[in-house]
Amino acid sequence: DSGVTQTPKHLITATGQRVTLRCSPRSGDLSVYWYQQSLDQGLQFLIQYYNGEERAKGNILERFSAQQFPDLHSELNLSSLELGDSALYFCASSRGVGYTFGSGTRLTVV
Amino acid sequence: DQQVKQNSPSLSVQEGRISILNCDYTNSMFDYFLWYKKYPAEGPTFLISISSIKDKNEDGRFTVFLNKSAKHLSLHIVPSQPGDSAVYFCAPARGAQKLVFGQGTRLTINP
Repeated sequence: DSGVTQTPKHLITATGQRVTLRCSPRSGDLSVYWYQQSLDQGLQFLIQYYNGEERAKGNILERFSAQQFPDLHSELNLSSLELGDSALYFCASSRGVGYTFGSGTRLTVV
Repeated sequence: DQQVKQNSPSLSVQEGRISILNCDYTNSMFDYFLWYKKYPAEGPTFLISISSIKDKNEDGRFTVFLNKSAKHLSLHIVPSQPGDSAVYFCAPARGAQKLVFGQGTRLTINP
């Protein structure tokens, strides 16, 4: 157990729908990062939050949004889902050197 | 703009031999270099790191080498074990927190 909790572990939904992925960072970590890993692809950085504020943005689609709440948990909202959005979505948190990753949410869009 | 390249998508090594995974980067501002290991359906886990002020860091069977002039780093695993079969990501960083991940190398250790 890395200390970073992601829910749900698996999600199957239809095209056009909206889903919310949740991440609870390791206790004390202020930064949360979201990554997408499509089939056999590398880790694509989506967005970073630090203590509730957006800190950096990567290749995040306009259909996607995120936020970090006062208790530091974060949610990634994916809307108007397309088949190509099927992927593993990872959350990571950090406080010093490097990141600690959660086990991911596998999203399947059918 | 691909700042980090792992040019070998896959690597197959005999058990007990040395595995060498390579990573090239372009950004000279990177000052910390990390390697992550990822098993299927799990999140990446931190393996080993090196600061830009060093050229070598060793942790058990794992050694990372950094050649700053060539903007190249490598991960050596010796001896390789079946449990080392995984995808390895190189992740340079600025300030140890803004990591940039490579595309990964899938290492397979054959018995």
